[in-house]
Amino acid sequence: DTEVTQTPKHLVMGMTNKKSLKCEQHMGHRAMYWYKQKAKKPPELMFVYSYEKLSINESVPSRFSPECPNSSLLNLHLHALQPEDSALYLCASSPLSGGNEQFFGPGTRLTVL
Amino acid sequence: AQKITQTQPGMFVQEKEAVTLDCTYDTSDQSYGLFWYKQPSSGEMIFLIYQGSYDEQNATEGRYSLNFQKARKSANLVISASQLGDSAMYFCAMREDLFQGAQKLVFGQGTRLTINP
Repeated sequence: DTEVTQTPKHLVMGMTNKKSLKCEQHMGHRAMYWYKQKAKKPPELMFVYSYEKLSINESVPSRFSPECPNSSLLNLHLHALQPEDSALYLCASSPLSGGNEQFFGPGTRLTVL
Repeated sequence: AQKITQTQPGMFVQEKEAVTLDCTYDTSDQSYGLFWYKQPSSGEMIFLIYQGSYDEQNATEGRYSLNFQKARKSANLVISASQLGDSAMYFCAMREDLFQGAQKLVFGQGTRLTINP
């Protein structure tokens, strides 16, 4: 299984809502990532988890809260978002040794009204 | 800091022709990795090809090959015999190694490739 899955595919939320994005992989990868991609721009790294511990936070606002409950799951909790947070949110995973590629999920298209 | 430059915002190519997408990079690291990803309109980032800085041979994967010129710091993607399904955004990326084996990908701005029938 060389697949990273993400749910939901699309999400529309108001600025006062609380929602969560979910990412799952069963490749045994111990590094997982969240990227944000605005329209017509490249992906930008948000968070990195290594061995289920947060190792990198690229100065992301606290209204984004990541969580890694186990080695297969990665969540991104959203609260009090702004319209400018509307974007494609991509999850990725990679092995911590013996591999080069980051495997990406299909993304969640988020719209904040 | 690492930097990736893709100077072609868009390219239009006739079906079955070969196409070269340009990528130059800047890094002070001796060990690094370069990737090409394809992103269709659906949004998923599809891995195409990888080149390590110490690899002596240019990487190839089916119709994709990477023209790696280390002295020029370029890593161009060549797609042979283009197909309509190749129409997508293409990103060149460089791997920045983080501690504990994790990695950060630094992406270029991308090139939108359109294949005409």
